[in-house]
Amino acid sequence: DTEVTQTPKHLVMGMTNKKSLKCEQHMGHRAMYWYKQKAKKPPELMFVYSYEKLSINESVPSRFSPECPNSSLLNLHLHALQPEDSALYLCASSQGDYRSYNEQFFGPGTRLTVL
Amino acid sequence: AQSVAQPEDQVNVAEGNPLTVKCTYSVSGNPYLFWYVQYPNRGLQFLLKYITGDNLVKGSYGFEAEFNKSQTSFHLKKPSALVSDSALYFCAVLSGGSYIPTFGRGTSLIVHP
Repeated sequence: DTEVTQTPKHLVMGMTNKKSLKCEQHMGHRAMYWYKQKAKKPPELMFVYSYEKLSINESVPSRFSPECPNSSLLNLHLHALQPEDSALYLCASSQGDYRSYNEQFFGPGTRLTVL
Repeated sequence: AQSVAQPEDQVNVAEGNPLTVKCTYSVSGNPYLFWYVQYPNRGLQFLLKYITGDNLVKGSYGFEAEFNKSQTSFHLKKPSALVSDSALYFCAVLSGGSYIPTFGRGTSLIVHP
């Protein structure tokens, strides 16, 4: 299995809602990433997990809360989001430690709209 | 500090013609360079990378890139473009001590039939 899967594909939520994004990979990768991407722009790194430990948090607001329950799963919990948080949220994984300079494998993303 | 530039927002090429998508970088130390492609409403897909060794790197779908240290460039090339190559292409760089990739702004490749 050489895929990164993400659910849901689309999500519409109000500013008071709580929702979660899910990411899964079965490639044995030990580094997992969350990115935010606006239309026609490069992805912006949010969080990096390496061996299930949060290694990098790029000063992301606390309304985004990541979780790595095991080596195959990565969640992003959302609460009290703002309309400007509407974007494509991408999950990625890479082999070994995130400091290994390996290429990343991306999921198809979750298109999030905050009303 | 590391940075990467993709000087063209858009590249237009006729099907069957060669294509080049440009990327230049700036790093302190040795660069680790990557090309990714993004089709509409999809995630990024890895094409190729340069870590060390041969300056000409071959990747997926007939793409290749040439690492040029003196010009600090890593241009993506393909000898014969296909309409299905139309997509958004991102160059990315890592350098020693920095483990967060810096992506270029992206170049939209349009291949005309």
